[in-house]
Amino acid sequence: DQQVKQNSPSLSVQEGRISILNCDYTNSMFDYFLWYKKYPAEGPTFLISISSIKDKNEDGRFTVFLNKSAKHLSLHIVPSQPGDSAVYFCAASGPFTGNQFYFGTGTSLTVIP
Amino acid sequence: GAVVSQHPSRVICKSGTSVKIECRSLDFQATTMFWYRQFPKQSLMLMATSNEGSKATYEQGVEKDKFLINHASLTLSTLTVTSAHPEDSSFYICSARDGTADQPQHFGDGTRLSIL
Repeated sequence: DQQVKQNSPSLSVQEGRISILNCDYTNSMFDYFLWYKKYPAEGPTFLISISSIKDKNEDGRFTVFLNKSAKHLSLHIVPSQPGDSAVYFCAASGPFTGNQFYFGTGTSLTVIP
Repeated sequence: GAVVSQHPSRVICKSGTSVKIECRSLDFQATTMFWYRQFPKQSLMLMATSNEGSKATYEQGVEKDKFLINHASLTLSTLTVTSAHPEDSSFYICSARDGTADQPQHFGDGTRLSIL
């Protein structure tokens, strides 16, 4: 049972425009969310996180939005750059998950120069 | 930033061979390390959590006799796939955390295991 879902397997965006990656989760007890970026043949790299007490967290070109009522979070990248082309995973955890993060299946972002 | 080194990056071996994968935290002490497995086009699935100096905690459905995990020091955890078979072929990836559960995990680059 996939508790964290990324329904778009891929996304293409023109350089300079905004990239919006979406993630939905099913368990309202999740209280900590992260985004990871993964290049081929490399491990995921932590990008940005947000806890459930916030609805927005910003770090440079990356902003994560959390809508708890909709059980939805999104990652905004603006402006998008070709180097942002990668697979992006969202992950969630909560007090009931112990050490475990539940990962989505990833969205492959391609930024077109 | 926190760096996790995983070795080897790729292994190709015959069925029945045991394969050891190492995961090291290079610039921090990792009290907790995690081992994941990823099938093509699927998410990372947690296999086990290892704490330094104690036995690993395996997720449901993961055979602990098949996937031996050792976390002998604060900077090293190993995963040994014993008597590997073609169905064990997968991408294995470790991560480490240098703090409490609300801190992000830092990942190694993964190991592509192919069993012939």
